[in-house]
Amino acid sequence: DGGITQSPKYLFRKEGQNVTLSCEQNLNHDAMYWYRQDPGQGLRLIYYSQIVNDFQKGDIAEGYSVSREKKESFPLTVTSAQKNPTAFYLCASSIDHRSPLHFGNGTRLTVT
Amino acid sequence: DAKTTQPTSMDCAEGRAANLPCNHSTISGNEYVYWYRQIHSQGPQYIIHGLKNNETNEMASLIITEDRKSSTLILPHATLRDTAVYYCIVSSYNQGGKLIFGQGTELSVKP
Repeated sequence: DGGITQSPKYLFRKEGQNVTLSCEQNLNHDAMYWYRQDPGQGLRLIYYSQIVNDFQKGDIAEGYSVSREKKESFPLTVTSAQKNPTAFYLCASSIDHRSPLHFGNGTRLTVT
Repeated sequence: DAKTTQPTSMDCAEGRAANLPCNHSTISGNEYVYWYRQIHSQGPQYIIHGLKNNETNEMASLIITEDRKSSTLILPHATLRDTAVYYCIVSSYNQGGKLIFGQGTELSVKP
């Protein structure tokens, strides 16, 4: 079945450590996105990529980094510079920037 | 900031139609109205979108007012599995697929 896979579902890290969240899609979509969701809040855009080897900052990119070396993969690194990293992270993809988004089931990151 | 206003919560009886309103009074001519829903602890799911005509698919119907300042998502026969947070979003194609999610409407379908 085609879809978006985010792993792991739950992730725990100590403060000061960088951590990379995985996002893989086999939908052959060009565009990929990372969102962050805090309890009781809507989603906020961190980074997005419309094509391989290109990506743009979203609304809350500080403390995060991404790469897009392959069409199917868009990993997100949460760096130690991110002041409040504990959150629910959602990856999405779309055929292109005009099409609806397909979301993965998220990674819940807890940093203590 | 989100460009839409939705009620925080709504209830609906199982088997009845659920009508979820959304105000988007500052919508631009090239902006579409999108609806997504999010079941607890899962990723959001696309439902439907439209520009100015009413739209229907296997999940729902979208009714957009003639002045495009508001819309209503209709789930014709709500089931318990439709309990979720529903997000109404306006966006244009030239925004690169960026969607701004507000807090949405928490719909509770009750037996």
